Amino acid sequence: NAGVTQTPKFQVLKTGQSMTLQCAQDMNHNSMYWYRQDPGMGLRLIYYSASEGTTDKGEVPNGYNVSRLNKREFSLRLESAAPSQTSVYFCATRSSGQETQYFGPGTRLLVL
Amino acid sequence: GENVGLHLPTLSVQEGDNSIINCAYSNSASDYFIWYKQESGKGPQFIIDIRSNMDKRQGQRVTVLLNKTVKHLSLQIAATQPGDSAVYFCAENINRLRAGGTSYGKLTFGQGTILTVHP
Repeated sequence: NAGVTQTPKFQVLKTGQSMTLQCAQDMNHNSMYWYRQDPGMGLRLIYYSASEGTTDKGEVPNGYNVSRLNKREFSLRLESAAPSQTSVYFCATRSSGQETQYFGPGTRLLVL
Repeated sequence: GENVGLHLPTLSVQEGDNSIINCAYSNSASDYFIWYKQESGKGPQFIIDIRSNMDKRQGQRVTVLLNKTVKHLSLQIAATQPGDSAVYFCAENINRLRAGGTSYGKLTFGQGTILTVHP
């Protein structure tokens, strides 16, 4: 039982490059979330998926897209990376009827 | 423009002391609160939660107190250990309606407090 897993752990991109961050969960949770965490700031919600087949914007969606591939997987895509997207990205999941979110280990992204 | 990171509040304690970490939340409609612990290089880890109809909840070595009058939340850690050194976040949950009538929970996180435990 791995919980929430994220790949890759680290990534360095050049400005303008694209990449997809992967998140998978084996907790059978319906809701999944993508956050970014910047130094001295709390977690900010980028996108979320309340259930399989649905996605919605969070606080800071610009420059990102998401795909809820199935119940287990929720990916975050940067089509054209910018230095402002240098951050640590966390995926989280939540079970229906509960409020607690469970987080993955994070992906550290540096955009040069 | 470039974002300037804010300095996080810090708390330094000696091993064995009790620690109290405070959090002010923003929305009186918040119905559920969580404390997370985040160690360096790791994701946030759930510690303890409390619903808005409670004032106090205890776990193993941790207690959460909720004062709705002043919108204040605190985390008390008893007999603090070096392994407790981390950043601690509070989060408040507000249920919102989505298009179509379903609701979802939205967590809003505080900045965090850095706890350092000295042996």
